[in-house]
Amino acid sequence: AQKVTQAQTEISVVEKEDVTLDCVYETRDTTYYLFWYKQPPSGELVFLIRRNSFDEQNEISGRYSWNFQKSTSSFNFTITASQVVDSAVYFCALSEAGRSQGNLIFGKGTKLSVKP
Amino acid sequence: NAGVTQTPKFRILKIGQSMTLQCTQDMNHNYMYWYRQDPGMGLKLIYYSVGAGITDKGEVPNGYNVSRSTTEDFPLRLELAAPSQTSVYFCASSYSPRPYEQYFGPGTRLTVT
Repeated sequence: AQKVTQAQTEISVVEKEDVTLDCVYETRDTTYYLFWYKQPPSGELVFLIRRNSFDEQNEISGRYSWNFQKSTSSFNFTITASQVVDSAVYFCALSEAGRSQGNLIFGKGTKLSVKP
Repeated sequence: NAGVTQTPKFRILKIGQSMTLQCTQDMNHNYMYWYRQDPGMGLKLIYYSVGAGITDKGEVPNGYNVSRSTTEDFPLRLELAAPSQTSVYFCASSYSPRPYEQYFGPGTRLTVT
């Protein structure tokens, strides 16, 4: 069965701290895609990154980095030198190649609060 | 491009009333989705469509109906609203199911009392 677990419900940090958001997934497919979305207080969902199951290279984009480890079924997200604008709910999601409709399986989200 | 637009942004319904949530995308995407987000939860798929005239149920379809007469529009119909349908509803679209990301609308916050 497919499942995404974000064990951290809420995290609070002080500005400039580094923070890692954990994501663990379950799937029987060998081909799948992992995503991170940001939901700021305004409510919209903003796409951050997509990673396919054959690409285990870590990725860095500015202050954001992602660590994909198939051995532990994890796709963790790190924000370096956090800022108040990073305050949001972050969702990890899974899309399995074997599902023709392509819908996303979401975790419950991690609410990040960055205090000045 | 406006992307994915949804109307209304907020709505309060009485139990038993019906309404249609509108969703339009201008990216010529074939795939469209309706999700609901309950407090403290991730999004769950209600219905999806792979093109005009083709729709299918997702994980939580009960109490909802959809239609897809054009590529651009994918309305979600609630018949006989119940308090359990109080949620935030998101419409999304994508060019194809994978590996492309889904683009989300701003959401509709619905309260049924």
